[in-house]
Amino acid sequence: GESVGLHLPTLSVQEGDNSIINCAYSNSASDYFIWYKQESGKGPQFIIDIRSNMDKRQGQRVTVLLNKTVKHLSLQIAATQPGDSAVYFCAENPSGSARQLTFGSGTQLTVLP
Amino acid sequence: GAGVSQSPSNKVTEKGKDVELRCDPISGHTALYWYRQSLGQGLEFLIYFQGNSAPDKSGLPSDRFSAERTGGSVSTLTIQRTQQEDSAVYLCASRRTGGSNQPQHFGDGTRLSIL
Repeated sequence: GESVGLHLPTLSVQEGDNSIINCAYSNSASDYFIWYKQESGKGPQFIIDIRSNMDKRQGQRVTVLLNKTVKHLSLQIAATQPGDSAVYFCAENPSGSARQLTFGSGTQLTVLP
Repeated sequence: GAGVSQSPSNKVTEKGKDVELRCDPISGHTALYWYRQSLGQGLEFLIYFQGNSAPDKSGLPSDRFSAERTGGSVSTLTIQRTQQEDSAVYLCASRRTGGSNQPQHFGDGTRLSIL
């Protein structure tokens, strides 16, 4: 079936470097995408979202890029900090659906001192 | 403001017992979702409530699972005759409206362990 998935299960970066977390999706009907951050023992925390009529959206230290041609989503974190260490999930919402999000399996980001 | 609140935060019970998990959504949010997350895995959809509409129960794994949402606010997820495979973190999320293009906001979950 159609699904959302992540290319890399783990990612280690040096503190201060930029991080890029990738996500592939296969449901061409999806028109809304969200990135969540989940720390140990906590629920997923909303980071940033993007609609399919956009290619790029920026937040504070984070940027989401959407390439609909190849069905690819990425999250860029600038000047990665120790507090950024967590599991990052992308999620998609099919067009017109108010129902559940479809989540990828997550990428563990570890920030090295 | 207050976020999504779930209780208990942890629950340990014996196989065969019933458990009830509670979710208080963000005030004013009309949509409420339950998910299950097994260790190191992504989130598995269970059930969705939107206003007074009939809930979408398509994700419930068996008839031992049920959920209610009273008064359009608080929700309870009930698991009857628990099995060891029910051990997981149960997450609740709410959303301002039922439409798409709105993020879901999650609670910190209930960690359920079946002995």
